Amino acid sequence: AQSVTQLGSHVSVSEGALVLLRCNYSSSVPPYLFWYVQYPNQGLQLLLKYTSAATLVKGINGFEAEFKKSETSFHLTKPSAHMSDAAEYFCAVNSLGGATNKLIFGTGTLLAVQP
Amino acid sequence: DTAVSQTPKYLVTQMGNDKSIKCEQNLGHDTMYWYKQDSKKFLKIMFSYNNKELIINETVPNRFSPKSPDKAHLNLHINSLELGDSAVYFCASSPPGRGVLGDTEAFFGQGTRLTVV
Repeated sequence: AQSVTQLGSHVSVSEGALVLLRCNYSSSVPPYLFWYVQYPNQGLQLLLKYTSAATLVKGINGFEAEFKKSETSFHLTKPSAHMSDAAEYFCAVNSLGGATNKLIFGTGTLLAVQP
Repeated sequence: DTAVSQTPKYLVTQMGNDKSIKCEQNLGHDTMYWYKQDSKKFLKIMFSYNNKELIINETVPNRFSPKSPDKAHLNLHINSLELGDSAVYFCASSPPGRGVLGDTEAFFGQGTRLTVV
């Protein structure tokens, strides 16, 4: 069964600093991986997804993630944090069950950006 | 022009009541879902429907009954509400992937915050 683990439930960075949010996956088959962002009292918005086309995936708002099979990781990065990046971030893997699929989410990482 | 819309956004009700949450998507997707987000922000799938057919039921109590009148709508009815049902419920939809491979993302509604008192 597929799963994801997000290391660090809270991450705090200064504005302009590098953002690194960690996600490790477990999957017996090549995974499809996603990063979603949730702003307060909002739904989830897709940041980016990995579907085996390229290991470095660029998403919206300057975020990117690199799929590393050897490390079973899919960490999310952004070179320079902005105040508006403060939100909850979820890593997810698409769990394949026969002809169906469903997203399995990590426990989330709350990103705080300090001025 | 909202893609996945849920109503109501907030719902406060007493224990034992029955309530419904409605969801509509105008994306033309075949698959719709209900997810539950608990107080610790953990998201877990409850149900999945594909073209009005139930595909996934993640051992949800039978007090929860989804209904899909057509592929653009997936409503959630909850009977005999309990304190533990308090959570944010998200509706989502997704387009078909390539074959059975799940390479497509889900599009989420804004959520319904259910508070049972």
